[in-house]
Amino acid sequence: KNEVEQSPQNLTAQEGEFITINCSYSVGISALHWLQQHPGGGIVSLFMLSSGKKKHGRLIATINIQEKHSSLHITASHPRDSAVYICAVRARGATNKLIFGTGTLLAVQP
Amino acid sequence: GAVVSQHPSWVICKSGTSVKIECRSLDFQATTMFWYRQFPKQSLMLMATSNEGSKATYEQGVEKDKFLINHASLTLSTLTVTSAHPEDSSFYICSARVSGGRPDTQYFGPGTRLTVL
Repeated sequence: KNEVEQSPQNLTAQEGEFITINCSYSVGISALHWLQQHPGGGIVSLFMLSSGKKKHGRLIATINIQEKHSSLHITASHPRDSAVYICAVRARGATNKLIFGTGTLLAVQP
Repeated sequence: GAVVSQHPSWVICKSGTSVKIECRSLDFQATTMFWYRQFPKQSLMLMATSNEGSKATYEQGVEKDKFLINHASLTLSTLTVTSAHPEDSSFYICSARVSGGRPDTQYFGPGTRLTVL
């Protein structure tokens, strides 16, 4: 079992829909990252969380440390949101390494 | 925001040749840079951690003589794939941590797609 699990693996949505991507992890962490990777490959860091909730534009990220779970929400989804969304955690005590989930491929159709 | 660049963005080379990939932090200093490899439809795999002025730390299974890493300055790290083979074809991504910043602050480069013929 992977230390970081994402669901769903693939998600197709219609433009305007509210989208949720989930991330569960099995290790104690110091931080959790949500990353976005577009088809060209470049990675953009969306959020870094250690507790609570963060919002940036139409994106919202939440984390529940006790339940070892985080969610990424996209409101009013748009085709340009189509990308792979990756959850990554930094295990507590491991100052260098991120542990990556396998990603969620999101396709937003017009 | 902080920017990490990679050069080249893509490269095609013949088997047996060496390829150098550069990773630069454009507007911040990075004492630590990371090199990842990503195969199609798979997640990023850490290859090595590069610290400025010292030898890189390689992950288990990564050949240090094949993947040469040099972190010569606080803004530049290079990865050289020596004697490249077709199985080295992959997407290579670097990431940089801000010097003196929070340990969790890490920025990613746009990646370099290597194809070995």
